[in-house]
Amino acid sequence: EADIYQTPRYLVIGTGKKITLECSQTMGHDKMYWYQQDPGMELHLIHYSYGVNSTEKGDLSSESTVSRIRTEHFPLTLESARPSHTSQYLCASSEGLAGVTDTQYFGPGTRLTVL
Amino acid sequence: GDSVTQMEGPVTLSEEAFLTINCTYTATGYPSLFWYVQYPGEGLQLLLKATKADDKGSNKGFEATYRKETTSFHLEKGSVQVSDSAVYFCALIPRYGGSQGNLIFGKGTKLSVKP
Repeated sequence: EADIYQTPRYLVIGTGKKITLECSQTMGHDKMYWYQQDPGMELHLIHYSYGVNSTEKGDLSSESTVSRIRTEHFPLTLESARPSHTSQYLCASSEGLAGVTDTQYFGPGTRLTVL
Repeated sequence: GDSVTQMEGPVTLSEEAFLTINCTYTATGYPSLFWYVQYPGEGLQLLLKATKADDKGSNKGFEATYRKETTSFHLEKGSVQVSDSAVYFCALIPRYGGSQGNLIFGKGTKLSVKP
């Protein structure tokens, strides 16, 4: 059973607020990811990390930022939320060593609504 | 570039019907292929995978065979249940290129099974 947690599960905030979405995993995985899932279900990789002090931008440009100070923790921050940021955000992790056969484990997601 | 194309939904079936969700891919070399499933209100979870040509992945009654000649990885189940209602994502990890070992997803297919 994969152990990857996201908080909060639901968040409704006003425009201009700073928010941090939390993601933690207890599997000791090196690689972690953030995806944005639009209402049409399509998934877009916005950030990933190979390990501590490593962060990379994904395929979809995002105004959010991430940090990786501890192996188990990979928070995502929006400095000033806008309605266009309304979406579901999914965090995932993987061993990162299996390369082409790597299996990703997903958290339950945070559904963000910006008014 | 590398990509995954899967049949558009939604797909609506009656309980005990046969399910096929088509998936084809474009990639350099021989990627690993995956099916992930997302149940309502949850994150994604791995359903099955295949890492080389002619491999068959199977889990929970679902099967998919890696067909190199047709670049396909169609998902099948002989008798669906209401509990199979979910969104299904076909994905690949390229063996070569600049994906950095990241998953490339199809757009997802929503399945609804009626009693």
